[in-house]
Amino acid sequence: KQEVTQIPAALSVPEGENLVLNCSFTDSAIYNLQWFRQDPGKGLTSLLLIQSSQREQTSGRLNASLDKSSGRSTLYIAASQPGDSATYLCAANTGNQFYFGTGTSLTVIP
Amino acid sequence: DVKVTQSSRYLVKRTGEKVFLECVQDMDHENMFWYRQDPGLGLRLIYFSYDVKMKEKGDIPEGYSVSREKKERFSLILESASTNQTSMYLCASSRTGGGGELFFGEGSRLTVL
Repeated sequence: KQEVTQIPAALSVPEGENLVLNCSFTDSAIYNLQWFRQDPGKGLTSLLLIQSSQREQTSGRLNASLDKSSGRSTLYIAASQPGDSATYLCAANTGNQFYFGTGTSLTVIP
Repeated sequence: DVKVTQSSRYLVKRTGEKVFLECVQDMDHENMFWYRQDPGLGLRLIYFSYDVKMKEKGDIPEGYSVSREKKERFSLILESASTNQTSMYLCASSRTGGGGELFFGEGSRLTVL
C-alpha cells in the first residue's frame, strides 16, 4: 500500500524567507502528485497538481517538483508571507485512490 | 468556478441519532469520496463511489453507510451516531481514471454528545 510521509511536521519561519516542504511516497507508480493547503477548520484547497510525466509546476510564488524515481516531491514557497501560514498536505494518486501525508504546519512570523 | 458543496458546516447531534451529511459537486465527476480528519491521524477514507449507485469501502467504513442516487450527490449516513464519530468530515470529487485533480468541500464539523 502506498505510504506518504511529510517532514517536518511543523515549521516556523520569519517573513520573507524562502522555504521547502518535503513529501515522500513509497510506490513510484503514481498518476500525479497534488499539493493542498488547509486553513484551520476548513477543507483542502488545491495548490498545484503535477502529472507523472512532468517534473515541476509553478503558480505564483509556489513551485512544486516531482521525482518519481526517488519517490519525492517538494513544494517551494518563495518570499513567505504571514498569509501563507497554514497546513500543507501532499497526496499521491494511484488511479481512483489518493494517499495523503499528515501535513506540514507552517507558521510565518511577521 | 468548480465547486464541491457540503450541506452543513457544523452539526451537533446526540448519541444514537441518525445523521446525514450531504455533498454535491458541479463538475460532472465520476468519483466521489468521504474522508474523516482527526488530529494526529490525518485523512482517512471512509467510502468512495466511482459511479451512480456504486460504492466501495475505504479504510474505516464501520459505523457508516453511503448513498449515491445521482451523479452529483454523495451522502454519508451515520445510522446511530456515537461519540467516537465526532470529527471533521470532508467530501471530495475527481474525474475517473488516473491523473484527475481532487477537489474538496469546506468540511462538516460533527460533534456527537
